[in-house]
Amino acid sequence: AQSVSQHNHHVILSEAASLELGCNYSYGGTVNLFWYVQYPGQHLQLLLKYFSGDPLVKGIKGFEAEFIKSKFSFNLRKPSVQWSDTAEYFCAVNARNTDKLIFGTGTRLQVFP
Amino acid sequence: NAGVTQTPKFRVLKTGQSMTLLCAQDMNHEYMYWYRQDPGMGLRLIHYSVGEGTTAKGEVPDGYNVSRLKKQNFLLGLESAAPSQTSVYFCASSYSMHRGVEQYFGPGTRLTVT
Repeated sequence: AQSVSQHNHHVILSEAASLELGCNYSYGGTVNLFWYVQYPGQHLQLLLKYFSGDPLVKGIKGFEAEFIKSKFSFNLRKPSVQWSDTAEYFCAVNARNTDKLIFGTGTRLQVFP
Repeated sequence: NAGVTQTPKFRVLKTGQSMTLLCAQDMNHEYMYWYRQDPGMGLRLIHYSVGEGTTAKGEVPDGYNVSRLKKQNFLLGLESAAPSQTSVYFCASSYSMHRGVEQYFGPGTRLTVT
């Protein structure tokens, strides 16, 4: 069965620090990869996604992620975080022969001014 | 467009009571999903639908039933609520699950079962 691992459960940073959140998945076939963000009190919204092509994808608000197929990873990065990035971040994987999206357990990011 | 809406936003039930959560989308999407979100467990898929009149089980379907009588609506039912069903429930929709198409999420329903 597919699974998604997010090893960082809670990350605390100061503004302007760099961010990298890990995401690893277990599935040997072709996948679509997503990062969703949930700001406090709000619903999930898409941050970025990978379907095909350039493995380095750029999303909204300065976020990017790199798909490394050999490592089954899709880590999220941002060079300089802001207080407004405080949120919960979810990695999700869709195996291309299925109709389901499997989510990781989420990483809670707190950014202090 | 309202996107994905959910009613109610909050609900408190006693053990053994029943209720139905309604999800509606105005984007003409084929696919609809119900998830539950619990601390430290992320989002887990309860049931989903790939089109009007279809339903399928997700990861955690026990204790829930669903119906998709109209394309725009997806109902989640709890026949006999249990405290373990205390959670935040999210509905989502998408026009496909292929080619990296994203899911659009509703605002959530916070359910407490006492």
